[in-house]
Amino acid sequence: QQQVRQSPQSLTVWEGETAILNCSYEDSTFDYFPWYHQFPGESPALLIAIRPVSNKKEDGRFTIFFNKREKKFSLHIADSQPGDSATYFCAARPGYQNFYFGKGTSLTVIP
Amino acid sequence: DMKVTQMPRYLIKRMGENVLLECGQDMSHETMYWYRQDPGLGLQLIYISYDVDSNSEGDIPKGYRVSRKKREHFSLILDSAKTNQTSVYFCASSLSGFAEQFFGPGTRLTVL
Repeated sequence: QQQVRQSPQSLTVWEGETAILNCSYEDSTFDYFPWYHQFPGESPALLIAIRPVSNKKEDGRFTIFFNKREKKFSLHIADSQPGDSATYFCAARPGYQNFYFGKGTSLTVIP
Repeated sequence: DMKVTQMPRYLIKRMGENVLLECGQDMSHETMYWYRQDPGLGLQLIYISYDVDSNSEGDIPKGYRVSRKKREHFSLILDSAKTNQTSVYFCASSLSGFAEQFFGPGTRLTVL
């Protein structure tokens, strides 16, 4: 059973648009929700993360929206830039346990 | 400079050969992980280590074993490698099971 589902598999936006990446999870004990990005040939790196005590977390152009009732969280990338082109992974973790990763969204930002 | 290192970065082996992938970290992190990444499948956890000689299976441990004899070093061993173990392997570490993970640069393994 896939613990974390991510969509879309790929996404193309124009420079300046807002890219929206979505994730959902099954287990209500999950309490930490990070997003990672990965550039070609590189390793994943933490981008931004949220805990369910809040429903929104912002860091510059990157915002996580969290809906605990629907078990969904999304990453919004405002004013998308070509340098944002990468694969983005959402993840979730139940307390002191392993991370469960989504399968990734490949984002392409066209100049 | 805090970092996670992996050796080798690229490796080609024949089916049936043994494989040793090494991971090191200089941050005194308690917890270390081994993942494999395949196109379209994201990151799959193979093993997690909570400290020296304290290892637990992840989601896909079959065909793999690990060794952690020093806190800063975590090895992944493939006994008699199979072609379906061709993948990119990432090691990661975190200060504790609650803390954020830092990933190494990855090892691209090809099993012919």
